[in-house]
Amino acid sequence: DAGVTQSPTHLIKTRGQHVTLRCSPISGHKSVSWYQQVLGQGPQFIFQYYEKEERGRGNFPDRFSARQFPNYSSELNVNALLLGDSALYLCASSNYAGTGLFGRNTIYFGEGSWLTVV
Amino acid sequence: GQQLNQSPQSMFIQEGEDVSMNCTSSSIFNTWLWYKQEPGEGPVLLIALYKAGELTSNGRLTAQFGITRKDSFLNISASIPSDVGIYFCAGHDSGAGSYQLTFGKGTKLSVIP
Repeated sequence: DAGVTQSPTHLIKTRGQHVTLRCSPISGHKSVSWYQQVLGQGPQFIFQYYEKEERGRGNFPDRFSARQFPNYSSELNVNALLLGDSALYLCASSNYAGTGLFGRNTIYFGEGSWLTVV
Repeated sequence: GQQLNQSPQSMFIQEGEDVSMNCTSSSIFNTWLWYKQEPGEGPVLLIALYKAGELTSNGRLTAQFGITRKDSFLNISASIPSDVGIYFCAGHDSGAGSYQLTFGKGTKLSVIP
């Protein structure tokens, strides 16, 4: 079975531009989360979507937005890019709905999209 | 954003030695997860802990969920060169109502053959 797949793997953008990153979850998983990992730090939570609804949002500006499609794939959009947006953007997949006990569900990450803003 | 306190930040060990790292939080978590990340890749899940006091093994790896629910540790026995990487702890609080994992800053492990 395919794991979490992300595209593109690497990209370079200029300040002020817009970027769209894409993610396909593990087959059967309905939840997608996005994380930003700056060099030397642990991943920081950006969004979680479950069944096409936003279930959680981290402390990121409104320039960051996301959506989930009927096939459970997801897009992360970042507008008006800043140099500080340069990071590895990770997509995570799970069947966890985002409420109640975690149970035995867990979270699997893709290999990420490396974004460099120049 | 919030990050867990993970220590040590880095460690250099001889092949065959045992390794211990830990993670503490000011908040209570219902789940602790340990991930390993290698250069250019995403984090790979190693061990998941769902209950305070739980001790779980995965091959040479053993992790425990602290009784206070504010800490966890990971042990690696008889280290080998392929253990090299950055190990992250992550906590989840189901009471927060969202699916947010809070990560530590990582422990960078180097194994000297």
